[in-house]
Amino acid sequence: DTVMTQSPDSLAVSLGERATINCKSSQDVLYSSNNKNYLAWYQQKPGQPPKLLISWASTRESGVPDRFSGSGSGTDFTLTISSLQAEDVAVYYCQQYYRTPHTFGQGTKLEIK
Amino acid sequence: QVQLQESGPGLVKPSETLSLTCSVSGGSISSYYWSWIRQPPGKGLEWIGYLYYPGNNDYNPSLKSRITISADTSKNQFSLKLRSVTAADTAVYYCARSAGSYYDRPFDSWGQGTLVTVSS
Repeated sequence: DTVMTQSPDSLAVSLGERATINCKSSQDVLYSSNNKNYLAWYQQKPGQPPKLLISWASTRESGVPDRFSGSGSGTDFTLTISSLQAEDVAVYYCQQYYRTPHTFGQGTKLEIK
Repeated sequence: QVQLQESGPGLVKPSETLSLTCSVSGGSISSYYWSWIRQPPGKGLEWIGYLYYPGNNDYNPSLKSRITISADTSKNQFSLKLRSVTAADTAVYYCARSAGSYYDRPFDSWGQGTLVTVSS
């Protein structure tokens, strides 16, 4: 299985400040034939299902605010929230969909400082 | 816009079979890949397996010996059966759809989830 490891496990950031979450995969999720990274980011708020924010490591889904951005390639990825808003408090997960079993990181809990 | 809704018993006894159904509206299950994903209370997400009608399945090896995912196209539903459950199978179970008609895509639509507790 491809193991996804996120860091940190939890993060407290002041409103308006930048939040950065890292994700490392145990195997490469870059498909050389199409040069795409099979890596997604999800946001999960309490009592809700995960919401897809970013696919292909850096492509924002429709309706996702542009303060959310994804970067990285191969085995190392980052989710950045450029200016934290109160509604961004949630748990964030990375996921690889390059190979089955599809696997998720353990989650990063983002709170307001 | 596609909508998914899980249904099934909220309590299952140890050693019995957990059975859940996902009802899909706003789209046909006869395309796309449809998955079950679970989340133990306070923990992370685990992909259980997917179905692509009419006959392509893939299951998480950690659960493969105990699970079956099947479709009922007449009702536009797909189902999960997990046999010989233990307390470790207590979780919120989600059904979800993979974006596009490919298995190697993220999950762009999710049900609200249903909590299943395994207890005598």
